Amino acid sequence: ETGVTQSPTHLIKTRGQQVTLRCSSQSGHNTVSWYQQALGQGPQFIFQYYREEENGRGNFPPRFSGLQFPNYSSELNVNALELDDSALYLCASSSPLAGVYEQYFGPGTRLTVT
Amino acid sequence: QKEVEQNSGPLSVPEGAIASLNCTYSDRGSQSFFWYRQYSGKSPELIMSIYSNGDKEDGRFTAQLNKASQYVSLLIRDSQPSDSATYLCAARTLNTDKLIFGTGTRLQVFP
Repeated sequence: ETGVTQSPTHLIKTRGQQVTLRCSSQSGHNTVSWYQQALGQGPQFIFQYYREEENGRGNFPPRFSGLQFPNYSSELNVNALELDDSALYLCASSSPLAGVYEQYFGPGTRLTVT
Repeated sequence: QKEVEQNSGPLSVPEGAIASLNCTYSDRGSQSFFWYRQYSGKSPELIMSIYSNGDKEDGRFTAQLNKASQYVSLLIRDSQPSDSATYLCAARTLNTDKLIFGTGTRLQVFP
C-alpha cells in the first residue's frame, strides 16, 4: 500500500510570487485535506477535496485555491505570497466510509517566503 | 477560547513511567478524536482514534474520552526515549471532515 506523497519537499519563494504544491493520496483514499502548520502551532485546516469538488474550507483567503484530479491527487495553489505564508504545508488523505474518519498525513512541503 | 486546548509542556517523564497527555475541547458537536505524534521536522503520524466514551487501548497507548467533560487523554505506558515528540490532539465535528488541532504537548522521556 502506497502512503501519501507530497512534492516538493522544500521550496523558497519571494513575496508576491505564486506556488503550486502537489499531493498524491494513499491508495484507496478519495478525500484530500490540506493544512498549514506554522512553527510551534498545530495544523490549521485550509480546505478539503472530495470527488474533485471542494468540500469545506477553513479561514484562509481566496488566494489559497486547490484542485483534485480524477485519480484523487490534489494541488494547492497560493497566489501573491506573503511572508506569513512561510510554513509546513501538509496534505492528508482519508476515505470516510462507514464512520471511519482517520486522516493520514504526507511528509509535508516546507515553504519559505522571503 | 481555543477550540482544542493542550498544555504545551514540556512534560518530562523518566523511562518506563506512564506519560499522561490531556486535551479539552469546546465544541460539544465534536464526534471523533485523534492523537497524532510529531517528531521535530516531520509530519504528524496517527497514533489513536476514539469515537465513544471510555477507554481504547492499542499496545502501550490508551486513549480516554469523556464527552460530558469534553476531555480526551492519551496514556503512554512504559515510556521510551523514542516516544519523545510533540503529541497533537485533534477533534472532528459532526458532518465535516475538518480536523481542529490543539497546539500540541511536547513530551520528553529521559533515560
